[in-house]
Amino acid sequence: QKEVEQNSGPLSVPEGAIASLNCTYSDRGSQSFFWYRQYSGKSPELIMSIYSNGDKEDGRFTAQLNKASQYVSLLIRDSQPSDSATYLCAVHSGGSNYKLTFGKGTLLTVNP
Amino acid sequence: KAGVTQTPRYLIKTRGQQVTLSCSPISGHRSVSWYQQTPGQGLQFLFEYFSETQRNKGNFPGRFSGRQFSNSRSEMNVSTLELGDSALYLCASSSGQEYNEQFFGPGTRLTVL
Repeated sequence: QKEVEQNSGPLSVPEGAIASLNCTYSDRGSQSFFWYRQYSGKSPELIMSIYSNGDKEDGRFTAQLNKASQYVSLLIRDSQPSDSATYLCAVHSGGSNYKLTFGKGTLLTVNP
Repeated sequence: KAGVTQTPRYLIKTRGQQVTLSCSPISGHRSVSWYQQTPGQGLQFLFEYFSETQRNKGNFPGRFSGRQFSNSRSEMNVSTLELGDSALYLCASSSGQEYNEQFFGPGTRLTVL
């Protein structure tokens, strides 16, 4: 059973701080990694994709991937109250397996 | 570019009935995936279609089925509804190629009474 694990939270940070969200996965052959943001009552929104080891930055978001440790993280700099949401980590094993396996998400609350 | 659309947005059914949900992917995308989201289980993969062929199926009973049309639109059907089928059903659109970025529609909220 391929698994993706996330701390459920809630993770609470003050406005302007860095929020750090973590995810581990069990399938060593995983190829693609995604972070989705889901506001309450809404559908998931893709915010970051990462495919190779290292860091990938997009605005206030930085995704970090370490395949040897089977670990992917998302950093949100200068956190805003509008960042308050559940963040879902998703992993794609690649090859002929065309599904994403999701973690259960981490609830982030940014306090003004 | 228009996003993924799903209809209907809300459905209320009773046990034993069947339901059909529809999804139109982003223009040019040929892959459609379906997921069930519940508070307890999170997002669970149902199945994925590419060019009218089911390429992958999750661990759900045969009451859950789907299909894809030549225009890439997809439908999923749930027969003999059970209370436990109450969930948010999400459709995701993708080019279907290597890196498989998936973009979600707004979802269909199904309530089974």
